[in-house]
Amino acid sequence: DSGVTQTPKHLITATGQRVTLRCSPRSGDLSVYWYQQSLDQGLQFLIQYYNGEERAKGNILERFSAQQFPDLHSELNLSSLELGDSALYFCASSVASGRSYEQYFGPGTRLTVT
Amino acid sequence: GQSLEQPSEVTAVEGAIVQINCTYQTSGFYGLSWYQQHDGGAPTFLSYNGLDGLEETGRFSSFLSRSDSYGYLLLQELQMKDSASYFCAVRVGNSGNTPLVFGKGTRLSVIA
Repeated sequence: DSGVTQTPKHLITATGQRVTLRCSPRSGDLSVYWYQQSLDQGLQFLIQYYNGEERAKGNILERFSAQQFPDLHSELNLSSLELGDSALYFCASSVASGRSYEQYFGPGTRLTVT
Repeated sequence: GQSLEQPSEVTAVEGAIVQINCTYQTSGFYGLSWYQQHDGGAPTFLSYNGLDGLEETGRFSSFLSRSDSYGYLLLQELQMKDSASYFCAVRVGNSGNTPLVFGKGTRLSVIA
């Protein structure tokens, strides 16, 4: 158990809909990262928040947005969903100190768009 | 940008040693990490190399050569539970909290 929690575990929805994925980082971690994992694209970085502020953006579509709240949990909002958005979405958190800068991944949310 | 290349699949026998290679092209280099992911599971951190040389953690070792833009993960005394996907990843910045760019992963199958 990494200490990172994500809800829901599974989500099935139709094209055109909007969903919200939720993540709580490990206690004390200020950084939250969102990654998308699909069969053809692998594990891709979407967006990072640090202590409530957006820190870095990766290959995130304009239809997707995220935020981090004062209690440090984060939400990833996916709208106007398309079949190609079906994927595993992982949230990760990290500590600022230490040598390895390892990231701790949550169990993921499997999104299926039908 | 960053790109990483690693073999898509490797098969090895239980008890043997296997090496998974990773070559990278980056605009700046801040260390190479390795993650393991079992089917249906989350990636978990295995190892990190910030400087050239070998890092050992139990049955797993990781090596880095920055001059060759190359690293590898070495798994010894393979066990069936080592069957998983292994990803190399680079950090995109120098601060402690930076995103990772992952390779596409190497699927390791351990056979009896």
